[in-house]
Amino acid sequence: ETGVTQSPTHLIKTRGQQVTLRCSSQSGHNTVSWYQQALGQGPQFIFQYYREEENGRGNFPPRFSGLQFPNYSSELNVNALELDDSALYLCASSFSFGNEQFFGPGTRLTVL
Amino acid sequence: GIQVEQSPPDLILQEGANSTLRCNFSDSVNNLQWFHQNPWGQLINLFYIPSGTKQNGRLSATTVATERYSLLYISSSQTTDSGVYFCARHILTGGGNKLTFGTGTQLKVEL
Repeated sequence: ETGVTQSPTHLIKTRGQQVTLRCSSQSGHNTVSWYQQALGQGPQFIFQYYREEENGRGNFPPRFSGLQFPNYSSELNVNALELDDSALYLCASSFSFGNEQFFGPGTRLTVL
Repeated sequence: GIQVEQSPPDLILQEGANSTLRCNFSDSVNNLQWFHQNPWGQLINLFYIPSGTKQNGRLSATTVATERYSLLYISSSQTTDSGVYFCARHILTGGGNKLTFGTGTQLKVEL
């Protein structure tokens, strides 16, 4: 059974640029959630995708957007990067929402 | 908003010692997860425990939903137990659900 994978591992961008992060869900899972973890804090919920549709959103601006594909993999896109977007971005998958979530290793984004 | 508070915030143990980490909620619990975040940032699932008690090796967890708290027990701690421990509760939101994380307990196990 393949676990949750994310790419890239690390990324450095400059302010104003755009970034795309990718996540492959665990085998058999159809729900993907994205979280942002700033240094020294717990992860914060960005949004969740279920069957290719956004299924809940946290307190993040519209420049944070996402997609889920038919194979249940997902992308997180962030436009107009700001310095405060520097964080660890975590993807979690589950079999339907409401069930146990399993996390990938994360993408560490640095915005200069 | 719904609060999830963890205590203690920091903990230093000698190898072999036991410890109890606590998670308090401001509202009722539907589902709860405990995680260990290793130094590389990976969140490792420890328990999925909406209520009752579960055990996995040296670790066990108890959730008392009516009292709005959960406890994580670590026995015979090892240096590899070091890292940050998070509890997170599931919250329904707009048809889906999200995890709301606590503030974490930073654990260091020394030789």
